[in-house]
Amino acid sequence: GENVGLHLPTLSVQEGDNSIINCAYSNSASDYFIWYKQESGKGPQFIIDIRSNMDKRQGQRVTVLLNKTVKHLSLQIAATQPGDSAVYFCAENIKGLFKTIFGAGTRLFVKA
Amino acid sequence: SQTIHQWPATLVQPVGSPLSLECTVEGTSNPNLYWYRQAAGRGLQLLFYSVGIGQISSEVPQNLSASRPQDRQFILSSKKLLLSDSGFYLCAWSSLANEKLFFGSGTQLSVL
Repeated sequence: GENVGLHLPTLSVQEGDNSIINCAYSNSASDYFIWYKQESGKGPQFIIDIRSNMDKRQGQRVTVLLNKTVKHLSLQIAATQPGDSAVYFCAENIKGLFKTIFGAGTRLFVKA
Repeated sequence: SQTIHQWPATLVQPVGSPLSLECTVEGTSNPNLYWYRQAAGRGLQLLFYSVGIGQISSEVPQNLSASRPQDRQFILSSKKLLLSDSGFYLCAWSSLANEKLFFGSGTQLSVL
């Protein structure tokens, strides 16, 4: 179900280091996965997505890994910058359903 | 290019007063439209989605209702607000059922 009743876990990294944010999704029928970034007081912004027929996808400084066996999704951010500080949400779509289910979110702090 | 507009940005309303939040999308036709609510420091909860004019699906029983009077207009309403209706309300659209969401800037609603 939707993780709306949980306080956000936090990840703190040093500027320049790589960040890894993990997410466990709930439904085996999910076939499309998305990572969003939300800055304070703003709406979530799309970062990267991946379909269930893939296990890895790379963007600019970001990589998403999908492990369907254990229903696990991760977001890797290379050379993390202060501007990366935000809350990151994983989301899943179930094929044929008209809704996106969001995970609880992880707050990323980047230390200068 | 497509844009989504959501207003107002902030709203303070007394308990028992009515509510109307409006969202419009430009630059696309027949979008899927969504209303989400986010409590402070928490995840996103889907409230309503719409796949066409006059077609509204509700995800959770609540004090709110939604309407879609035009293709690119989505309205969130309440006849009498409760304290528990406070939160950050986000409108979003997608082009297809299994695609990424584009969010508005959100409305911070405080019910006092």
